[in-house]
Amino acid sequence: AQSVAQPEDQVNVAEGNPLTVKCTYSVSGNPYLFWYVQYPNRGLQFLLKYITGDNLVKGSYGFEAEFNKSQTSFHLKKPSALVSDSALYFCAVRDGGATNKLIFGTGTLLAVQP
Amino acid sequence: NAGVTQTPKFQVLKTGQSMTLQCAQDMNHNSMYWYRQDPGMGLRLIYYSASEGTTDKGEVPNGYNVSRLNKREFSLRLESAAPSQTSVYFCASTLGTPYGYTFGSGTRLTVV
Repeated sequence: AQSVAQPEDQVNVAEGNPLTVKCTYSVSGNPYLFWYVQYPNRGLQFLLKYITGDNLVKGSYGFEAEFNKSQTSFHLKKPSALVSDSALYFCAVRDGGATNKLIFGTGTLLAVQP
Repeated sequence: NAGVTQTPKFQVLKTGQSMTLQCAQDMNHNSMYWYRQDPGMGLRLIYYSASEGTTDKGEVPNGYNVSRLNKREFSLRLESAAPSQTSVYFCASTLGTPYGYTFGSGTRLTVV
């Protein structure tokens, strides 16, 4: 079965520093991977996705993610963190077949200190 | 604005009461989903509808039922609410692969 793991419950970073939120995956076949962000008391918003092609994917709000097949990872990155980036981040992988189901990780809380 | 609309936003139920959570999308998406979000557990799939006229169980279906009323609407029903169903519920939809989901803003349900 497809799965994703987010090994860190929380990531703390100072404003202006680079940030990384980690995600590893386990799939059979080619992975379709996604990152979503959830601000307090809001629904999840799409950030970026990897389907195929370039291993570095650029998304919304200056975020990017690097797909690494040998390490089965899809880490979310940003060169310079903002306080407004503080939120809950979810990695997800598409399940196989025609259902289009997404399997979500447990989430990582990003806290950016001023 | 186009998107996924969930109602209600907040609800408090007594144990044993029933209620229906409503979800509607206006993007002509084929597939719709209901998730629950609990602290430390991420999002868990309750039920989904891959296409109009079909529904299937997800990871945590017990205590819930769904109806795909038409292509736009997908409702979630709690027949006899239990405190364990206290959670935030999200509806989502997608056109299909390779697109991601669009989420509603959620329903915060408390069962006392």
